[in-house]
Amino acid sequence: DAKTTQPPSMDCAEGRAANLPCNHSTISGNEYVYWYRQIHSQGPQYIIHGLKNNETNEMASLIITEDRKSSTLILPHATLRDTAVYYCIVRVAGDDKIIFGKGTRLHILP
Amino acid sequence: DTAVSQTPKYLVTQMGNDKSIKCEQNLGHDTMYWYKQDSKKFLKIMFSYNNKELIINETVPNRFSPKSPDKAHLNLHINSLELGDSAVYFCASSQETGVQPQHFGDGTRLSIL
Repeated sequence: DAKTTQPPSMDCAEGRAANLPCNHSTISGNEYVYWYRQIHSQGPQYIIHGLKNNETNEMASLIITEDRKSSTLILPHATLRDTAVYYCIVRVAGDDKIIFGKGTRLHILP
Repeated sequence: DTAVSQTPKYLVTQMGNDKSIKCEQNLGHDTMYWYKQDSKKFLKIMFSYNNKELIINETVPNRFSPKSPDKAHLNLHINSLELGDSAVYFCASSQETGVQPQHFGDGTRLSIL
């Protein structure tokens, strides 16, 4: 079973920041938080991951709370191409098994 | 260049047939995976191979047999196909150790008639 909880769907206006929340209240000290997304008819795409510090790359920012029980993925300027299902995953470093939950279906509105 | 490529993209066949799906990665990764995404869109791992050695086998029926001729290829052979095998099958790869993410192909949509 997935160890994360996400809202089933969210809307965001094009050009605005999309903030996707994830709860992982049972996360352990050696588990990382990963985000992937799946655009329709494509394979999952890695976005970003972190342990406890906030992270930023060319795609997104990841904000992890101090107690690590929740996190937020931020797409700073959402475009229509960001419409996808976003998966928040916790995973122990070196564990090859990724357990995908139901994710959040993000709709970007023009 | 496509990093993880699967063929075919679509596969339609009759119940009882045997079929194979091929996967190749040009990322130099040591570990490759097969996932199944069913009609409810749940994505579940089936197998992982590291340097041609089976690492994960998630209680998949033995009608499914992965084969890894080298670390850049992981093929999936399915015997005696059943209606419940209809799904999208994704191949993925990653570096062997640490926290490196997995890179996925675009899937093979298998439909059993």
